[in-house]
Amino acid sequence: QVQLVESGGGVVQPGGSLRLSCAASESTFSNYGMHWVRQAPGKGLEWVAFIRYNGDTKCYADSVKGRFTVSRDNSKSTLYLQMNSLRPEDTAVYYCAAMVVSATPPQFRSFWGQGSLVTVSS
Amino acid sequence: EIVMTQSPVTLSVSPGERVTLSCRASQSVSGNLAWYQQKPGQAPRLLIYGASTRATGIPARFSGSGSGTEFTLTISSLQSEDFAVYYCQQYNSWPPMFTFGQGTKLEIK
Repeated sequence: QVQLVESGGGVVQPGGSLRLSCAASESTFSNYGMHWVRQAPGKGLEWVAFIRYNGDTKCYADSVKGRFTVSRDNSKSTLYLQMNSLRPEDTAVYYCAAMVVSATPPQFRSFWGQGSLVTVSS
Repeated sequence: EIVMTQSPVTLSVSPGERVTLSCRASQSVSGNLAWYQQKPGQAPRLLIYGASTRATGIPARFSGSGSGTEFTLTISSLQSEDFAVYYCQQYNSWPPMFTFGQGTKLEIK
């Protein structure tokens, strides 16, 4: 199964920007739709963004739409999340995840990274 | 956006007990429902997909049921390692905004 490693987290001031990366261990990354999911301290999981395997379809949660941009470089097996205009409520552990839905046979696979902490604070 | 609602928020149970967790979708997700287990400091672990199919390596004490908008996860005999937070997730929507429930925390009574 694919291994995912996030990086790029840290402390940033409100209004600032940060870019997260998610490196995959194998070239099959280019076959997978990829998601970002976040978890604020002590809170539940919140789906954030999706990008299709070839990058032609993207979608975002309303809470980040217009501020966050998901992208990928299949030649580097890497997923990105560019986060702009950051707010204190964006403070969370950010996970990248491959979620693969198959029709034949019906199957769902889900592979997650270990997460990267983003703290938005002055 | 499909809203997922789990109940209860917290459940206090004793080892060996049988427990049932519930998940409701704001609209039908057919059978495209997954359950995850999450322990502190760890990424979520996939338990169940397709509402009732155990993921690879998941013990048989975990079972899922339901379709449409109502789903349950049952743990037949709680082990010490099962005390964790459980999330449901729908993967039916397109574009794939695969939303999660707010979680149910299993506590030791």
